[in-house]
Amino acid sequence: EEQLLESGGGLVQPGGSLRLSCAASGSTFTSYAMIWVRQAPGKGLEWVSGISSSGGDTFYADSVKGRFTISRDNSKKTLHLQMSSLRGEDTAVYYCAKDYSGYRWGQGTLVTVSS
Amino acid sequence: DNVMTQTPLSLPVTLGQPASISCRSSQSLVRSDGNTYLSWLHQRPGQPPRLLIYKISNRFSGVPDRFSGSGAGTDFTLKISRVEAEDVGVYYCLQASHFPQTFGQGTKVEIK
Repeated sequence: EEQLLESGGGLVQPGGSLRLSCAASGSTFTSYAMIWVRQAPGKGLEWVSGISSSGGDTFYADSVKGRFTISRDNSKKTLHLQMSSLRGEDTAVYYCAKDYSGYRWGQGTLVTVSS
Repeated sequence: DNVMTQTPLSLPVTLGQPASISCRSSQSLVRSDGNTYLSWLHQRPGQPPRLLIYKISNRFSGVPDRFSGSGAGTDFTLKISRVEAEDVGVYYCLQASHFPQTFGQGTKVEIK
């Protein structure tokens, strides 16, 4: 069973940057689109960004457009989310998931934006 | 953006009894390829979400058959035929037919 493992979360000051990664095990990574979803403390799920299997198509929520960049390295079976100009409202657990429909999910990585 | 509205937001249920959650989309989720990309996910406290149903009514691998999905166009329903203790948590619908993708607000299921 394919597993996803997020990393790169932590404490960052407002206006700062952070790069999240999602490492996939198994052999199907290159066949699937991937998404990032976040969950602020005590809140519901918020879709953040998605990328096609080839990486040729990328999509963003309005709340992060122009600040976040999604990318993938299929040779390393890794998904990334480059986050810049971070704000307090970006504080959340960030999950990566397989396919636009959310087939498999990682355990999440916590991003805290605070001074 | 497409708005997904779930009802109810809180659902107290009795063990062994059925439960139903509704999800309504502000626009049709039927795509040009004829598919409707509506998923249902379950999240237990402290855990990541897990997929239950995809494309309206397809149970994901390992999901018990007491879970079923139905609907079309803009109106969708998740049903649990007989609620078990492990079914507590929050249920979300997710649409993947239009970008940006959107979730419903979540329905918290608890045992009476």
